[in-house]
Amino acid sequence: DAGVIQSPRHEVTEMGQEVTLRCKPISGHNSLFWYRQTMMRGLELLIYFNNNVPIDDSGMPEDRFSAKMPNASFSTLKIQPSEPRDSAVYFCASREDRANQPQHFGDGTRLSIL
Amino acid sequence: GENVEQHPSTLSVQEGDSAVIKCTYSDSASNYFPWYKQELGKRPQLIIDIRSNVGEKKDQRIAVTLNKTAKHFSLHITETQPEDSAVYFCAPKTGANNLFFGTGTRLTVIP
Repeated sequence: DAGVIQSPRHEVTEMGQEVTLRCKPISGHNSLFWYRQTMMRGLELLIYFNNNVPIDDSGMPEDRFSAKMPNASFSTLKIQPSEPRDSAVYFCASREDRANQPQHFGDGTRLSIL
Repeated sequence: GENVEQHPSTLSVQEGDSAVIKCTYSDSASNYFPWYKQELGKRPQLIIDIRSNVGEKKDQRIAVTLNKTAKHFSLHITETQPEDSAVYFCAPKTGANNLFFGTGTRLTVIP
């Protein structure tokens, strides 16, 4: 089991640029979560999908953020245009859709917007 | 919405001593209570979890106890070692079927 795979591991870009983060969940897991982690705000849930359908996007900060899950093995989180305050570590997690199963996290993408 | 608090926010213990971290939550519908450990620069990893039909669960040096009436659950680490140094998060499952992460407790084990 390869675990949750995220790419890139690190991204440094200038403000105003489009940023796309990618996630491959664990095979067989049908819930997928995107989190953002900063020192100030801790670990925040941005959006979660179940069976490729967005269920709760109330954590998405603003319209510059969008997420998609075109199939069961791939999801993207896009920021356009990016701003310095978007700098954070972005984690993807997946979970098997049975009662009370834990979430498994990827290694995260460390994003720096200059 | 769910209100989750962890105490203490930082904890320093001597190697070999015990550490206890408490998590209080507000959603009475919560029925799954995991603890995650996050080492510096790494991802959060599940270390132990408990479901609402039991009051205590133990796995070697770590244990979790649950008091559903009082809406709190605690992480206990015995015989602490330097590699236990990390940030620990409680993450009770909300009625909306998500995990709500606490603000974390930074544990430092002093050799």
